[in-house]
Amino acid sequence: GAGVSQSPRYKVAKRGQDVALRCDPISGHVSLFWYQQALGQGPEFLTYFQNEAQLDKSGLPSDRFFAERPEGSVSTLKIQRTQQEDSAVYLCASSLAGRNTGNTIYFGEGSWLTVV
Amino acid sequence: QKEVEQDPGPLSVPEGAIVSLNCTYSNSAFQYFMWYRQYSRKGPELLMYTYSSGNKEDGRFTAQVDKSSKYISLFIRDSQPSDSATYLCAMSAPETSGSRLTFGEGTQLTVNP
Repeated sequence: GAGVSQSPRYKVAKRGQDVALRCDPISGHVSLFWYQQALGQGPEFLTYFQNEAQLDKSGLPSDRFFAERPEGSVSTLKIQRTQQEDSAVYLCASSLAGRNTGNTIYFGEGSWLTVV
Repeated sequence: QKEVEQDPGPLSVPEGAIVSLNCTYSNSAFQYFMWYRQYSRKGPELLMYTYSSGNKEDGRFTAQVDKSSKYISLFIRDSQPSDSATYLCAMSAPETSGSRLTFGEGTQLTVNP
């Protein structure tokens, strides 16, 4: 596709369940970001990949959160033992360059996670 | 204190009004300043981009950056009902991870016909 694709768009998980969220970036894009957006808030940075290397994971809120991008294209964000506070929209973004000026980052439509 | 502060609103204006949105920030390393528009249940889409201080105009939209005051603004002229959305300011510094974005809280705007 032409844009950043995320799946599933909507996920309801029972507390304690593991979830996996997938991101297909724009083809050829080097940089990939994950953000978490709570209801009524702005997106918060979670982690950054340059190709397959995870260069920054400082925003991951706990060790229950894990992200990978093994072949430098598709990325998966995994949340283990989900808690209610994990309910949010998880946004994936990608950019062609490894160093960005901010105007070349494209967002997907997000995966809406509700933990019940 | 958050690095980027933005009044969440909500803001409600009549069609045709001039809308002023703004953000303040504390990190002097920020060099790139963006405004994103986010419709309900959609991802953010880039609206305006400015490098360092100055003004930029694109149609009905004008972005202003005042680095000395650490203050950025977005003006929307002749606002339309289709402008109803959440507006997010975002900033980045060139030496951080891929120039990752730091967002404000977002301002929810409604333009009434």
